[in-house]
Amino acid sequence: SQQGEEDPQALSIQEGENATMNCSYKTSINNLQWYRQNSGRGLVHLILIRSNEREKHSGRLRVTLDTSKKSSSLLITASRAADTASYFCATGGSNYKLTFGKGTLLTVNP
Amino acid sequence: KAGVTQTPRYLIKTRGQQVTLSCSPISGHRSVSWYQQTPGQGLQFLFEYFSETQRNKGNFPGRFSGRQFSNSRSEMNVSTLELGDSALYLCASSKDSYEQYFGPGTRLTVT
Repeated sequence: SQQGEEDPQALSIQEGENATMNCSYKTSINNLQWYRQNSGRGLVHLILIRSNEREKHSGRLRVTLDTSKKSSSLLITASRAADTASYFCATGGSNYKLTFGKGTLLTVNP
Repeated sequence: KAGVTQTPRYLIKTRGQQVTLSCSPISGHRSVSWYQQTPGQGLQFLFEYFSETQRNKGNFPGRFSGRQFSNSRSEMNVSTLELGDSALYLCASSKDSYEQYFGPGTRLTVT
């Protein structure tokens, strides 16, 4: 069963615009991670935020975590065509497994 | 540092057959996890191994099994293949079971 649910399911923007994706989850977590997947290939780890953190930055990525609302958001600033991919949130608990959402398909139009 | 490698990359099998997929983790990573990805169910956790021990298992039937060797390489086996087993099988390695590094996957087609 899916723990995380991404919203929206699909997002289409122009190059240079910002993209925001949201993730909601149901149970308590140790950490939340975001991954990117290009067209049926392996996933690439983007960023990890621990349950005691509220915000984290990595280059053009900004992730927030609100454990009271059981939600997270991923912001990609100044998007590029190369950012076109599916983005997944994954929650990590104490049981050594990641539970993924169904993903947001981001299309960045040049 | 070399990434996670998975072999084979593509596989076509017939219903009822069995298949073994292989994963070589990043050097120094002792945790290996396996996931199944399908359009309908998304990414689903199969199992995780650490130092040759299975630490966690997802909700898959017993036809799905795995193992890890002393060099951290891992294999997963699916017996008595069904059409619904057609999927992208992803392996991920981790040093600490948090950030996971994925291989390119093995695309299995069952006919």
